[in-house]
Amino acid sequence: KAGVTQTPRYLIKTRGQQVTLSCSPISGHRSVSWYQQTPGQGLQFLFEYFSETQRNKGNFPGRFSGRQFSNSRSEMNVSTLELGDSALYLCASSVEASQGTQYFGPGTRLTVL
Amino acid sequence: AQSVTQPDIHITVSEGASLELRCNYSYGATPYLFWYVQSPGQGLQLLLKYFSGDTLVQGIKGFEAEFKRSQSSFNLRKPSVHWSDAAEYFCAVGTTSGTYKYIFGTGTRLKVLA
Repeated sequence: KAGVTQTPRYLIKTRGQQVTLSCSPISGHRSVSWYQQTPGQGLQFLFEYFSETQRNKGNFPGRFSGRQFSNSRSEMNVSTLELGDSALYLCASSVEASQGTQYFGPGTRLTVL
Repeated sequence: AQSVTQPDIHITVSEGASLELRCNYSYGATPYLFWYVQSPGQGLQLLLKYFSGDTLVQGIKGFEAEFKRSQSSFNLRKPSVHWSDAAEYFCAVGTTSGTYKYIFGTGTRLKVLA
């Protein structure tokens, strides 16, 4: 079975721009979670989607949003980019939302200049 | 509040030596427990997990972990470290009541000396 895939792997943007990241979960997995990883803050939970519905949300500003499609693929969007948004964005999938193991993709490295 | 503590930010061991990475959690019940490994610039790879049953769990790459309820700990061990084990290791807790959440520790960076 193919693992979690994320595209693109690397992105460079400038402040004020917006960006969309994509995540394809493992086949059969219906839950997708997003995390931001920075050296200073570690792994921080952004949000989780299950069956196209946001089930859980972390403590991030409204500039961070996401959605999930009927095939379980998910996108996250960051608008009005700030320098502090530079991070590794990780996507994880699991079979169900309420339990179980999350499997992570390789991440998207976003650099904001 | 729920939390995961990895008290060692950095650990250095010699190749062939044994390894133990510590993880303590704060949670009102027995959670699901996980260890992940991350190589630089990469995603997290699952090493092992504990849901219930035998408190000694075997994982991939020769790692094992032991759940100790009385100490709220889930320490990761390996009897003989290889240079390729150099990476960052994260302990995580999955909550078992209320809205399911994954809570990560801050990670332990392992350096292996040849």
